[in-house]
Amino acid sequence: DGGITQSPKYLFRKEGQNVTLSCEQNLNHDAMYWYRQDPGQGLRLIYYSQIVNDFQKGDIAEGYSVSREKKESFPLTVTSAQKNPTAFYLCASTLKTSRAYNEQFFGPGTRLTVL
Amino acid sequence: EDQVTQSPEALRLQEGESSSLNCSYTVSGLRGLFWYRQDPGKGPEFLFTLYSAGEEKEKERLKATLTKKESFLHITAPKPEDSATYLCAVQSGNTPLVFGKGTRLSVIA
Repeated sequence: DGGITQSPKYLFRKEGQNVTLSCEQNLNHDAMYWYRQDPGQGLRLIYYSQIVNDFQKGDIAEGYSVSREKKESFPLTVTSAQKNPTAFYLCASTLKTSRAYNEQFFGPGTRLTVL
Repeated sequence: EDQVTQSPEALRLQEGESSSLNCSYTVSGLRGLFWYRQDPGKGPEFLFTLYSAGEEKEKERLKATLTKKESFLHITAPKPEDSATYLCAVQSGNTPLVFGKGTRLSVIA
């Protein structure tokens, strides 16, 4: 089965801790994205990567870090510098074609709660 | 700056009562408009891509249309299982998608 997996589904963090959210895709997609979703806020872009070993900041990158060492993997680290990390985190990927980027496909999400 | 506005924020329908959701956008050169369905606690599920004004796409009870300023998602004779949040997103150039805040649809039996 092709798709995007995120783990864990639920994650609890103590204040001052760094945590890493996993995102893996076996769709052979070129680009990968991380979004944060809060109630009533829609999807806000944290980071995205169009190619291995390269990534760009989105609208709300402060307090987050990413890496893209492999095409199929794009982990997100929520650092202690992120003051309000409790949210639903979504990973997505897309295939680059002659139309630039086509539709994004999403993973099932990780709900992060700060204790 | 690309912007997407969805209306209404929430919509409550009786089963079988057809209606439309609106997605208004301002972009510098539309490359594509995307509709997604999202159930609570889950990732968005892709529904449609529209590329040019006048284009229409259908899937079961859903039909998406596109003009130069907005897109509509028409729901014909909805059922309770159509209850979800519907998200609209636009793409211009090689930039990432810009999402609206969504319309929360409830269909009551």
